[in-house]
Amino acid sequence: EAGVAQSPRYKIIEKRQSVAFWCNPISGHATLYWYQQILGQGPKLLIQFQNNGVVDDSQLPKDRFSAERLKGVDSTLKIQPAKLEDSAVYLCASSLGFSGTGSKQYFGPGTRLTVT
Amino acid sequence: AQTVTQSQPEMSVQEAETVTLSCTYDTSESDYYLFWYKQPPSRQMILVIRQEAYKQQNATENRFSVNFQKAAKSFSLKISDSQLGDAAMYFCAYRSDYGGATNKLIFGTGTLLAVQP
Repeated sequence: EAGVAQSPRYKIIEKRQSVAFWCNPISGHATLYWYQQILGQGPKLLIQFQNNGVVDDSQLPKDRFSAERLKGVDSTLKIQPAKLEDSAVYLCASSLGFSGTGSKQYFGPGTRLTVT
Repeated sequence: AQTVTQSQPEMSVQEAETVTLSCTYDTSESDYYLFWYKQPPSRQMILVIRQEAYKQQNATENRFSVNFQKAAKSFSLKISDSQLGDAAMYFCAYRSDYGGATNKLIFGTGTLLAVQP
């Protein structure tokens, strides 16, 4: 079974530029998560989708971050314009659902973003 | 709001020895799950072990076991017979289990475990 795929693995941009990350969840997983992991901290949930609807985006900086999950499969997270403090690893995860035995989250390898 | 605290930024253990990683959490909820995740240098988070709060019995997975103290809000991870492949960052995480909970994981800041040969 293929795992969660993310691209690119690394990205370096200058502040005020825009960037996009892509995530393809495990086939059949209805729930998709984007986490931000700043160096020295644990991951923090940015946004959670159930199929193509948003379940939780309370910690997403909506003035610069946006995310979509068209057709309820893969997802794109965008930052525009980027700030220095956005330097982090962006982790995508997926699960069958969000209750019971289907709630186990599987993580992708992450995208390391450096903003200079 | 729920919080998770890991007070040990770094730990070291000799190969084949036992090490315990500490985690405390704060919540007013009675139904929740606790997890330990391993993040090797490849960055891919791997679930190590899971504990349901309603279960009194401590979870075990091969060489990994937990000491869950609900009243004290403590959740430590014990790794027995440590192996070189256990070297990684370990995160403690919390998830609510009340009706309507979204499955959001709340992570601690992590403990970097080094295994000495």
